[in-house]
Amino acid sequence: AQSVTQLDSQVPVFEEAPVELRCNYSSSVSVYLFWYVQYPNQGLQLLLKYLSGSTLVESINGFEAEFNKSQTSFHLRKPSVHISDTAEYFCAVSDASGGSYIPTFGRGTSLIVHP
Amino acid sequence: DTGVSQDPRHKITKRGQNVTFRCDPISEHNRLYWYRQTLGQGPEFLTYFQNEAQLEKSRLLSDRFSAERPKGSFSTLEIQRTEQGDSAMYLCASSRSGSAQFFGPGTRLTVL
Repeated sequence: AQSVTQLDSQVPVFEEAPVELRCNYSSSVSVYLFWYVQYPNQGLQLLLKYLSGSTLVESINGFEAEFNKSQTSFHLRKPSVHISDTAEYFCAVSDASGGSYIPTFGRGTSLIVHP
Repeated sequence: DTGVSQDPRHKITKRGQNVTFRCDPISEHNRLYWYRQTLGQGPEFLTYFQNEAQLEKSRLLSDRFSAERPKGSFSTLEIQRTEQGDSAMYLCASSRSGSAQFFGPGTRLTVL
């Protein structure tokens, strides 16, 4: 079984500042890793994913995350945030060796961008 | 629109009543998942289908909950004899085998 820990429930930041949302996972098998974003009153949207290959993955809107196997982490970063990045961010992990690919989600981190 | 759709978006019911939710996945996706999300928590897995077969159910899915996907396309989630603790957002997601899931907007259930 896997588990995900998102260390910060809320991260306030000023516009144009850098941000890091932390995610640590535990698993006894190889994993796939995901970040989802949920804007107010909307469903979850896939932001980026790590399946294999390069440990640094990027999204189209400037976010990136790096898979660190030794530290079992998949932190999400953005060098300069915008007001529109205000949302709930969920880290998720799934078993890469099995067939169900059912992700286990963290509790979420609320990113609040202030002008 | 080719995304995942869910109906209704909101449902208010009295304790003890039955409710049914519908999910229409992305058409070429063979996998369909149901999750429950409560305030301040991430989504919790309930059950999933590959085509019309229900392959896995969570311990969270009590015998009051039942899900179907009769033709391998849309799915329904029924909750019988609702309880106040069932109040939550019910999310549906779909995917191709082995790829990331795409989520619908959810159905918010309030049990009075």
